Formats: sequence, structure tokens, C-alpha cells
Amino acid sequence: GEDVEQSLFLSVREGDSSVINCTYTDSSSTYLYWYKQEPGAGLQLLTYIFSNMDMKQDQRLTVLLNKKDKHLSLRIADTQTGDSAIYFCAERDTGTASKLTFGTGTRLQVTL
Amino acid sequence: DTGVSQDPRHKITKRGQNVTFRCDPISEHNRLYWYRQTLGQGPEFLTYFQNEAQLEKSRLLSDRFSAERPKGSFSTLEIQRTEQGDSAMYLCASSYAGLGNTIYFGEGSWLTVV
Repeated sequence: GEDVEQSLFLSVREGDSSVINCTYTDSSSTYLYWYKQEPGAGLQLLTYIFSNMDMKQDQRLTVLLNKKDKHLSLRIADTQTGDSAIYFCAERDTGTASKLTFGTGTRLQVTL
Repeated sequence: DTGVSQDPRHKITKRGQNVTFRCDPISEHNRLYWYRQTLGQGPEFLTYFQNEAQLEKSRLLSDRFSAERPKGSFSTLEIQRTEQGDSAMYLCASSYAGLGNTIYFGEGSWLTVV
């Protein structure tokens, strides 16, 4: 079955770039997603990438996909304290449900 | 449209009681999902509707759980005879099949079983 893995914690200084990594197992995944979750809140969709793309940029966010290694990363440029949250990587299955399989999340801490 | 709406946001209940959560998806979305998230974990898929039809259920959804989407709009998730292990956040998400690939989540409903 699908499995998604992420490192648990990342600490960066305000203004630096953050890179959050994710590996997945389902080579037939069609789309891969990044969500942000602040304490006690739901999931905010940040961006997604189609599996035939290598890169997608959206303002301060850059997603890189290495399909051969099944590795996905999210780069946040000029990280701000408001970026402190848990970031989830998710892969979408190819079945009719298009359900998502999530990693355990990476907690990003932004320090001054 | 204000996005996916869930109610109540927080619920504390005694073990053995029944609870019901409601989800109002984004209005034009025909797909609706329920997920469960426990502390320190990512969300796990529970069930999925396309319009009013419940098309897939996870093995996590025991027979104490039932979900409905009677008119293809809002959905309810009922948990009967709650157990302490049911304590979690229940997340609803919606999307539109065939148009884009965005799946939006609500703010979640926190359940604490005491």
C-alpha cells in the first residue's frame, strides 16, 4: 500500500529558506500535495504538483519532484514566523476515490 | 463561498454516548471525504462520497461509525457507543471530480471521549 514519510522537525531562522522533504512509495500516484496545519486548525492546501512535472513555483513556495527516487520537497523562501506550523505531504491514489495518504507531518519552527 | 464548514468544532462526550458531526462542503463540489487525525499523526482516510453515494469505506470505519450524505450536499458522521480510542479530530474535505485537483479541508471537529 501507499506509505509517505517525512522528517519530524525542522528549525530555521526567520528570513532563511526552509526545505521540507517527503518520500512516497506509490509510483502510480498522480498528484502530490502539500498542506499546512496550524495548532488546533484544519488543513490549508498550499500547493500540489502533477506527477509528470519536475518543479512548480508559487510565490515563496517551490515544489521539486524526483519521480525516480520518489522524493518530494517543499522550499519556502524568506521564511517568516507565520510559517511556523506542521506541513503534511500527501499522495493521491489513482483509484476512483482519489483519496489522499498523508505523512506524519514536519513541524517547522521559525526562530528570530 | 466560505469553504468547507464543520460543526461542532469541539465535542466532549462520555464514553458510551453517541455523537454526530456535520460537514457542509464547498457548494459546487460533488466529492466529500471524511478523515480522522490523532495527535502527532497525519490524517487517515475514513470514507468518501460522490454525490449521495458512499463509494468507499476504510477498514478504520468500524460498524459503530456511519456516514450519510442524503441529498448530495451536506454530510453527517455519527459515532455510536463512543470509546476513548475515538478521541481525535474528524476532518471533512471536498473536491469537484473532473475539474481541477484541489481537495479542500474544513477546520475539523475535535472529539474528546471521557
